[in-house]
Amino acid sequence: EAGVAQSPRYKIIEKRQSVAFWCNPISGHATLYWYQQILGQGPKLLIQFQNNGVVDDSQLPKDRFSAERLKGVDSTLKIQPAKLEDSAVYLCASSSGIYLSSTDTQYFGPGTRLTVL
Amino acid sequence: GQQVMQIPQYQHVQEGEDFTTYCNSSTTLSNIQWYKQRPGGHPVFLIQLVKSGEVKKQKRLTFQFGEAKKNSSLHITATQTTDVGTYFCAQRYKDGNNRKLIWGLGTSLAVNP
Repeated sequence: EAGVAQSPRYKIIEKRQSVAFWCNPISGHATLYWYQQILGQGPKLLIQFQNNGVVDDSQLPKDRFSAERLKGVDSTLKIQPAKLEDSAVYLCASSSGIYLSSTDTQYFGPGTRLTVL
Repeated sequence: GQQVMQIPQYQHVQEGEDFTTYCNSSTTLSNIQWYKQRPGGHPVFLIQLVKSGEVKKQKRLTFQFGEAKKNSSLHITATQTTDVGTYFCAQRYKDGNNRKLIWGLGTSLAVNP
């Protein structure tokens, strides 16, 4: 089966500019996650969608970050305006969403490496 | 709130030595997942543990879930250079009607040939 797709793979912007990332999860996966991974650190969950509803966005800096999954399939994550500390890899993952099922594992996309100058 | 501790943060071993990383929670877990991230790569799922006291093996990797479902360990026997990477535990718990996920900070493993 096709994996999680993300674009772009790399992005360089200047601070205060805007940027958007796109993710297409594995077909049929109900749950979609956006993570921020700063170099040398673990993934930090930004937002979790179950279909097109938000399950957890407690760590999303809502003054500058927004995300949507309008049709319950693909998703976009936006940063506006970007700050230097937003430089990181943004990972998208999806899972089947069947709780405690052996298939309720997360499959990650290759990530988008963002550099803010 | 929900917290997860993962130790050690870093580990250097000689090839052939064993390696263990531990994941501890302040509360009882519904399940725990382990992931491996190679340098420059993205996290890749290794295994999920659900039952109290569960032990699962994948070749040289042994995963355990504590009896109280508050801790877990990953043990690698006779490490190889291909084991290099960061190992993360991820804990899933119920928050009302929602199922949320929290990640440990990871243990970075370096293997000297």
